[in-house]
Formats: sequence, structure tokens, C-alpha cells
Amino acid sequence: SQELEQSPQSLIVQEGKNLTINCTSSKTLYGLYWYKQKYGEGLIFLMMLQKGGEEKSHEKITAKLDEKKQQSSLHITASQPSHAGIYLCGADRTGNQFYFGTGTSLTVIP
Amino acid sequence: EPEVTQTPSHQVTQMGQEVILRCVPISNHLYFYWYRQILGQKVEFLVSFYNNEISEKSEIFDDQFSVERPDGSNFTLKIRSTKLEDSAMYFCASRWRDGNQPQHFGDGTRLSIL
Repeated sequence: SQELEQSPQSLIVQEGKNLTINCTSSKTLYGLYWYKQKYGEGLIFLMMLQKGGEEKSHEKITAKLDEKKQQSSLHITASQPSHAGIYLCGADRTGNQFYFGTGTSLTVIP
Repeated sequence: EPEVTQTPSHQVTQMGQEVILRCVPISNHLYFYWYRQILGQKVEFLVSFYNNEISEKSEIFDDQFSVERPDGSNFTLKIRSTKLEDSAMYFCASRWRDGNQPQHFGDGTRLSIL
């Protein structure tokens, strides 16, 4: 199976600091999605990347898909407590399957 | 903005009992999904559904599980004889086409098996 590995597993940062979360695939990604999950709640769609080298931003969050389309990064600038949660990358697979990464838990200390 | 709704938010059931989890996908969406998240673990794909039939299913989705779209709006997941290890958060998702579109998720149903 095509696993999505995320690093780090967990992250604790001081408010105002920048941070980066990585998502690595063993195979070429044809669509890479970033979601955020607040503890015990549903998943909120953040961004979708399709093309190698693509970069998208929304507010203080920027996501990139590398040229070879096997790794994506999510960067948060000037983190706030509202950014806390679990960040998940996800990808379409053959057929109509979808897999999530291992998740990164982010804690932002005020 | 339209959203996926799931009911109930929390279901407590005795082991061995049947349980039905309900979802109302976004109205113009054609592809439907169920996922499971055991406490502290990753979100796992269970099944995808399109055109009134299962498109794909994972190893987790064994004969104890079934899905149905009984009418034009609901999408259900049935677990026939629940086991303790079925305790998890179950998420429903939908999107209007497969691939190249984000899935929209409900808030989940927390299933507790006693």
C-alpha cells in the first residue's frame, strides 16, 4: 500500500513562531490534500495540490508540492493558538480510495 | 455553505448489537465515503460508494459492514454484530467527483461498544 508518512508526529511551538509539517509518499502523488482536525471533531479541508511545484496559501498557511510530487510541506507563519490541532495530509489512490497520513499534532503555547 | 451532517453524534451500543450510522452528504455530490478513527490512531478508509454501489473497500470493511443509500439524501453505514474493537469515531465524507476534488467531512459519530 502507498503510505503517507508525516513528520514530525507532534510539535509544540510558542505563539508567533513559524513551523513546517512534512508529508512524504513512497509513490508519485496525483492529488495531495491537507486537512485539519480539532481534537475529537471532524476534518476541515485546508488545501489541495495537484501539480509538481505548486504552492498555495490561505491566510498564514502555505502548502507546497515538490517537483517530483512525492513530498508536500505545510508551513504556518506566526502561529496562533487557533492553529492548534491535528494536521493530516491525504491522497487519492487507484480506484476510488483515499488514504490519510499519520498525522501531526500541533500545540501552540500562548 | 452546504455541509455533510452525521447522526447521531454519539452512539452507545451493547456488543453483538446492530448499529446504523447515518449521514446526509452534500446534495449535488456523487461520491460518498466512510472512514474510521480509533482513539489516538490515524483516520482509516473504509469504503467508497458511487452510483448505488461500492467502488472500493478496505480490508477493514468485512462482512460485518454494509453501506446503503436508501433514498436520495441519506447514506448509511451498518455494523451487523458489533465488537468491542468497533469502538471508534466514524466519519462520512462526500465529493461531487472522484479525484481532483476535496472531500467534505461530517463531524463524525462516536461509537462506543460496551
